Amino acid sequence: DIQLTQSPSFLSASVGDRVTITCRASQDISSYLTWFQQKPGKAPNLLIYAASTLQSGVPSRFSGSGSGTEFTLTISSLQPEDFATYYCQHLNNFPLTFGPGTKVDIK
Amino acid sequence: QVQLVESGGGVVQPGRSLRLSCVASGFIFNRNGMHWVRQAPGKGLEWVAVIWYDGSKKYYGDSVKGRFTISRDDSKNTVYLEMNSLRAEDTAMYYCARLQGGDGYYGGALDYWGQGSLVTVSS
Repeated sequence: DIQLTQSPSFLSASVGDRVTITCRASQDISSYLTWFQQKPGKAPNLLIYAASTLQSGVPSRFSGSGSGTEFTLTISSLQPEDFATYYCQHLNNFPLTFGPGTKVDIK
Repeated sequence: QVQLVESGGGVVQPGRSLRLSCVASGFIFNRNGMHWVRQAPGKGLEWVAVIWYDGSKKYYGDSVKGRFTISRDDSKNTVYLEMNSLRAEDTAMYYCARLQGGDGYYGGALDYWGQGSLVTVSS
């Protein structure tokens, strides 16, 4: 099974900060990676698919990059509504797996 | 607009069974693979199962293989998750999600999710 790790696991930041979250895969997953945002009590919301394609309706301050085994999610200027937990997920083969999550909190 | 609505959750004793349903609307149901994903209280996301758009293939996560069965009824725009031999560690919010794009095996994305159905396994 492909393992995904995320760093950091917790991040404290201020409104307006640039934030970067890293997701690493235990083997090459090409660009078959997606990013989700989840707020407490809500279902996950798709942000990025195919490693770098912005889902329709998602603000352009979110961006994704990477391929192979290392990927990043960047929020260019953190907004109050962005405080949430972020997960990566691969869709390279079965079983699909998610990263453990990165919680972004208010400094 | 695309909507997914789960139901069937509740409190169940260990060893018993439960069936979750997910009714889809707002898209042509038989064109999309469907997934189940769960989240234990306070924990991260865990992929559970997938069924192909035509029902021809099904795959399961290691922790549920042999106990859970995914199926679909395209006449009812519904995907099901039959859960047998339930354990305390199956306690979680269960989400259904639509797969958009990809070829089934690779790529695509889970672009729409339901609000979830809570399953609690406890004596």
